[in-house]
Amino acid sequence: GAVVSQHPSRVICKSGTSVKIECRSLDFQATTMFWYRQFPKKSLMLMATSNEGSKATYEQGVEKDKFLINHASLTLSTLTVTSAHPEDSSFYICSARRTQGTEAFFGQGTRLTVV
Amino acid sequence: GENVEQHPSTLSVQEGDSAVIKCTYSDSASNYFPWYKQELGKRPQLIIDIRSNVGEKKDQRIAVTLNKTAKHFSLHITETQPEDSAVYFCAATQGAQKLVFGQGTRLTINP
Repeated sequence: GAVVSQHPSRVICKSGTSVKIECRSLDFQATTMFWYRQFPKKSLMLMATSNEGSKATYEQGVEKDKFLINHASLTLSTLTVTSAHPEDSSFYICSARRTQGTEAFFGQGTRLTVV
Repeated sequence: GENVEQHPSTLSVQEGDSAVIKCTYSDSASNYFPWYKQELGKRPQLIIDIRSNVGEKKDQRIAVTLNKTAKHFSLHITETQPEDSAVYFCAATQGAQKLVFGQGTRLTINP
């Protein structure tokens, strides 16, 4: 199967700082990547769809200036949580599909703790 | 847009028994229905999927059925084992569009 690598797996940051999370497709090209947020014992909530070379498409209620997404290449998308607050603490997880593919491959997730 | 409902939210079965998780979807255009298993703190792992041109698919102890008319699909796990304990998510999508997930089912296999 395809491999999606997400980094870092855990991060603790201070309130007011920004944190960048990387999502890489290691052995395939991904025109589209997806960013999810998962609260404890809850489902995956789609935050945005990241499109290579163009602006991300954000889901309703997700602040695009708060959660900056960049998809600069066919193998890398980044999510930057800006001016982080404790309520941003969560498990963030990305997924990627091969171009023209349907199966989604997930990164290992990033547990963000804002103190 | 698509909406996926999943039931039950928790399920406890005796080891060796079968487990069934059901999902319904709203968008008749959806044509791809994967099931994911997620262990605590880990990434979701695809365990089986089905496309709309098929009514049933089986892979060893795991099977998925799809009823397009009723817009529901189900996951069946037979001869359950303790390592089947996890949270299971269904999802639906059309082509390469975004996946919409169900709420998840916490499955516990009792020895």
